Amino acid sequence: GAVVSQHPSRVICKSGTSVKIECRSLDFQATTMFWYRQFPKKSLMLMATSNEGSKATYEQGVEKDKFLINHASLTLSTLTVTSAHPEDSSFYICSALAPRGRNEQFFGPGTRLTVL
Amino acid sequence: QKEVEQNSGPLSVPEGAIASLNCTYSDRGSQSFFWYRQYSGKSPELIMFIYSNGDKEDGRFTAQLNKASQYVSLLIRDSQPSDSATYLCAVTPFSGGYNKLIFGAGTRLAVHP
Repeated sequence: GAVVSQHPSRVICKSGTSVKIECRSLDFQATTMFWYRQFPKKSLMLMATSNEGSKATYEQGVEKDKFLINHASLTLSTLTVTSAHPEDSSFYICSALAPRGRNEQFFGPGTRLTVL
Repeated sequence: QKEVEQNSGPLSVPEGAIASLNCTYSDRGSQSFFWYRQYSGKSPELIMFIYSNGDKEDGRFTAQLNKASQYVSLLIRDSQPSDSATYLCAVTPFSGGYNKLIFGAGTRLAVHP
């Protein structure tokens, strides 16, 4: 099956610093990846759609200058949380769209971000 | 109105029973429907997807879709304690593009021995 990895799995940082999260598709090429955020006991909220070689498409209410997304290759998308604040603490999950027209997403294991 | 609605639960069923999880969606043009299972602190894992009206069975799981009623359900037969998790319904809206998914808030299932 398709495998998606995320790194780091857990990060703690000070307020005002920036944090980069990597999402990789390990055994397939993903032209489209997605970034979600999940607060405790809440559902996944789509933040943005990342397309290889083009600008990400952000959902309404998501600050593109705060959550920088780069999809530089067919197997890697990165999310950078800039000038992180405690309210950015959350579980960030990426997914990759299955290849060959299959409308399925394969999820990474998630990254727990804690901003002190 | 939320785009995808689920009862938050918890839904408590005895081991061996059938668990029935329900989901309604607001976008009548939605194309694809997914059920994910999420254990606490973990990311979602796909259980089933369904595109057409009717039933789709896979092992102990059956997904049911009724587009006229904008309703999709998941039945889990012979429920096991290991099935205890939050079940997320997800829908690809008609106007979403890029195959994006809209998730419901999830239903917490508790299977007790």
